[in-house]
Amino acid sequence: QVLLQESGPGLVKPSETLSLICNVSGDSISSFYWSWIRQSPGQGLEWIGSVYHSGAAKYNPSLESRVTISVDTSRTSFSLKLRSVSPDDTGVYYCARDRPLGDFLVWGRGTWVTVSS
Amino acid sequence: DIQMTQSPPSLSASVGDSVIITCRASHSISFYLNWYHQRPGRVPNLLIRAASTLQSGVPSRFTGGGSGTDFTLTINGLQPEDVGNYYCQQSYSIPTFGQGTRVEI
Repeated sequence: QVLLQESGPGLVKPSETLSLICNVSGDSISSFYWSWIRQSPGQGLEWIGSVYHSGAAKYNPSLESRVTISVDTSRTSFSLKLRSVSPDDTGVYYCARDRPLGDFLVWGRGTWVTVSS
Repeated sequence: DIQMTQSPPSLSASVGDSVIITCRASHSISFYLNWYHQRPGRVPNLLIRAASTLQSGVPSRFTGGGSGTDFTLTINGLQPEDVGNYYCQQSYSIPTFGQGTRVEI
């Protein structure tokens, strides 16, 4: 059974970089795409981007200029970096595993990130 | 981006009622449409994939339909545990979600 666990700071200052890691257990990262999805307070879900085990990544055009998603060399985790954050980036950040038809069956529990000085 | 529009934004129904939620895509997405249920404070749970395929373990009272630009999620016999928000998501191109439908009893 694949398990995903997000980790990282819960508080980030405006203009700084939000950095999160998703640890993957129970499955090889060398398959499928692996995504980051976020949910702002009281809002819906927004796909941030995803990465393949080769390192190839694709991003939401609305965030692409500020986002980098990469796979750890150990192939047991992948990470998110979101630069120049503002309070609008506050919310719950989830990692998830993409399936071939693009649905998200497996999700991490999510981690709350607040952007505030 | 492909925009996803759900209706209604919210609904209130009684236990045992049949409920229909609709999702419309701004461009044709064939059958690349998925439905999720999210209870307050919980992780989204995949209900339906590829427009009409029930995810393993999901009760059969959930039914998905449609193709192209218009899709539906039907709950036949609403149960108390079905409260929460329902989201559609297209996977035809860069993934986008609908804004959600809040279901109350």
